[in-house]
Amino acid sequence: GAVVSQHPSRVICKSGTSVKIECRSLDFQATTMFWYRQFPKQSLMLMATSNEGSKATYEQGVEKDKFLINHASLTLSTLTVTSAHPEDSSFYICSVPGQKGNEKLFFGSGTQLSVL
Amino acid sequence: DAKTTQPNSMESNEEEPVHLPCNHSTISGTDYIHWYRQLPSQGPEYVIHGLTSNVNNRMASLAIAEDRKSSTLILHRATLRDAAVYYCIQDSGGGADGLTFGKGTHLIIQP
Repeated sequence: GAVVSQHPSRVICKSGTSVKIECRSLDFQATTMFWYRQFPKQSLMLMATSNEGSKATYEQGVEKDKFLINHASLTLSTLTVTSAHPEDSSFYICSVPGQKGNEKLFFGSGTQLSVL
Repeated sequence: DAKTTQPNSMESNEEEPVHLPCNHSTISGTDYIHWYRQLPSQGPEYVIHGLTSNVNNRMASLAIAEDRKSSTLILHRATLRDAAVYYCIQDSGGGADGLTFGKGTHLIIQP
């Protein structure tokens, strides 16, 4: 079964609105979660590392005021795209480090954001 | 930046073996090789990983060159459901680090 639950799977919003994406670790606690972004026909790009109880770490070029990350519990991280614009339209994917077995990272099913 | 190089795309026939190559010439002694695949409109899915020895699991086999500068993912009998983008990732980070994805290989399976 799924180890990481990501919602919503698809969202369409108007330009200027904010959108929240949730990522839940179902099987174990996660002090760290990762948020990726993927544009059409491109690879995944790491946006930020979400840290439980502290500030997220953002990759170079990612605006922390635009992509708000909250990791308030050991099983939930949220990514809020504030004042979304059409150029923010992308596929957003969260991931959780594996704690057992062979997988270094478990990935959510992704959220397709379309900003009109 | 990604540390691996893979062909942009490969094509194979259904029910035949597929060999997906990956070059990782800068690999160090403690770096693992991970393979993930991504089906359309889904998040990546773990396939296999290895350090030095060849590895087998229910999904695939991983053959690692003796000098570890290259590896090959082997799908023993491809099905249409194996059509995906396959990412080979050289991982030198610790457990708290994410993975850096390259462009991967788009595998096309012909019926």
